[in-house]
Amino acid sequence: GAVVSQHPSWVICKSGTSVKIECRSLDFQATTMFWYRQFPKQSLMLMATSNEGSKATYEQGVEKDKFLINHASLTLSTLTVTSAHPEDSSFYICSAKGGSGANVLTFGAGSRLTVL
Amino acid sequence: GENVEQHPSTLSVQEGDSAVIKCTYSDSASNYFPWYKQELGKRPQLIIDIRSNVGEKKDQRIAVTLNKTAKHFSLHITETQPEDSAVYFCAVQAGTALIFGKGTTLSVSS
Repeated sequence: GAVVSQHPSWVICKSGTSVKIECRSLDFQATTMFWYRQFPKQSLMLMATSNEGSKATYEQGVEKDKFLINHASLTLSTLTVTSAHPEDSSFYICSAKGGSGANVLTFGAGSRLTVL
Repeated sequence: GENVEQHPSTLSVQEGDSAVIKCTYSDSASNYFPWYKQELGKRPQLIIDIRSNVGEKKDQRIAVTLNKTAKHFSLHITETQPEDSAVYFCAVQAGTALIFGKGTTLSVSS
C-alpha cells in the first residue's frame, strides 16, 4: 500500500531557530501533499496544500512567511517553521493523495515540534 | 468554506455494544466522506469511506451511512471490542483537501 514517510518524528529547538520537516511518498508520486497541525486532543487543522512545482496554497490564518512549504519533486514536500516560538509547538502531520486511491489520504507518522 | 461538525466528542460503551458517531457538513457539493481512526501517538488511518452516489457502505463490523439531503453521515461500529478504543475523525472533501471534524474519543470497556 501507499506509504508516506515523515522526518524527523520529534524535534526540540530553541526559540528563534528554524526547523525543517520532510514528507516523502515512498512508493507513489504525489503531485499534491497536505500539511496539517494537531494540538493535543484536538482535530487535524489543515494548514496548506502543497503542489509540486508551484506555490503552496495556505489556509486562512496561516502565515506563509512563517511556515514555508516547498514541493520540489513528486515525492518530497518540506515544511520549514521559521523563527520558531513556543506557541509553534505542536504535532505536524503531512499527507498525500494517491497510491491507494484517487481521494484516499495517506498520512505520515507526524513530527512533534517542541520549541523551548 | 466547508464546516464539519462531529458528535459526540466522547463516547463510552461496553464491549459488545454498538457505537454511532455522526457528522454534519455544510457544502452540498461535497462528494467524498472518509472516516479515520487515530490511536494514541499514531498517525490517522483510513477505516472506511463513502461517496455521494452511495447511501451506505459496510465492511465487517464497520458501516457508514450518508444522507446527502440532510448533509450528514454516520459511522456505525457493531460488536465493539477494546481495540476499537481510539479517536475517530470524520472528514469531508473540500476542493482537493480534506476538512476534518473535531474527533470522537471512543472508549470500549471490557
